[in-house]
Amino acid sequence: AQSVTQLGSHVSVSEGALVLLRCNYSSSVPPYLFWYVQYPNQGLQLLLKYTSAATLVKGINGFEAEFKKSETSFHLTKPSAHMSDAAEYFCAVSARSGSARQLTFGSGTQLTVLP
Amino acid sequence: EAGVAQSPRYKIIEKRQSVAFWCNPISGHATLYWYQQILGQGPKLLIQFQNNGVVDDSQLPKDRFSAERLKGVDSTLKIQPAKLEDSAVYLCASSVTGEGQPQHFGDGTRLSIL
Repeated sequence: AQSVTQLGSHVSVSEGALVLLRCNYSSSVPPYLFWYVQYPNQGLQLLLKYTSAATLVKGINGFEAEFKKSETSFHLTKPSAHMSDAAEYFCAVSARSGSARQLTFGSGTQLTVLP
Repeated sequence: EAGVAQSPRYKIIEKRQSVAFWCNPISGHATLYWYQQILGQGPKLLIQFQNNGVVDDSQLPKDRFSAERLKGVDSTLKIQPAKLEDSAVYLCASSVTGEGQPQHFGDGTRLSIL
């Protein structure tokens, strides 16, 4: 069974500072990994995905994530935070469970951007 | 491309009443998912459809929850009777079939049980 751990339920950064949101996964087989963002009263929007091609994945809005198999990590980064980045971020792992491929989400990290 | 459509956006009912949610996936997406998202948590899969067949409903509380996708397009999720702990956002998502395909989410239905 797969699982996802997001370290830090709340992260605060100043505008212009580096954003680092941590995600570690557990999967018995090579996984597909995703980061989603959720703004208040909205659904989840895909930021980026890792599907066993390049280990450094670039996504929308200047975000990127690096897949590190040895550390079972898929941390999300952005060089310079913007006020509009304030939202909740979810890491998710997709792995096969029986006949279905299931998406398992972490508990989320709420990002606050301070002026 | 139109996104995943869900209705209603908000619903308030009393416990023991019934409620239904509707989802229309992105055109051409064969796989449809219903998730429950409790405040402060990540989404939890309730049921997954491939066309009009159920692929996985292992986490669906079948004594009170039911879902259908009769024509392989839109879907309804029903709760009867509702309990206080069912207060959550119910998200619908869809994807094309295939390894590593991302899921696309609707804006969800926020359900409050009084």
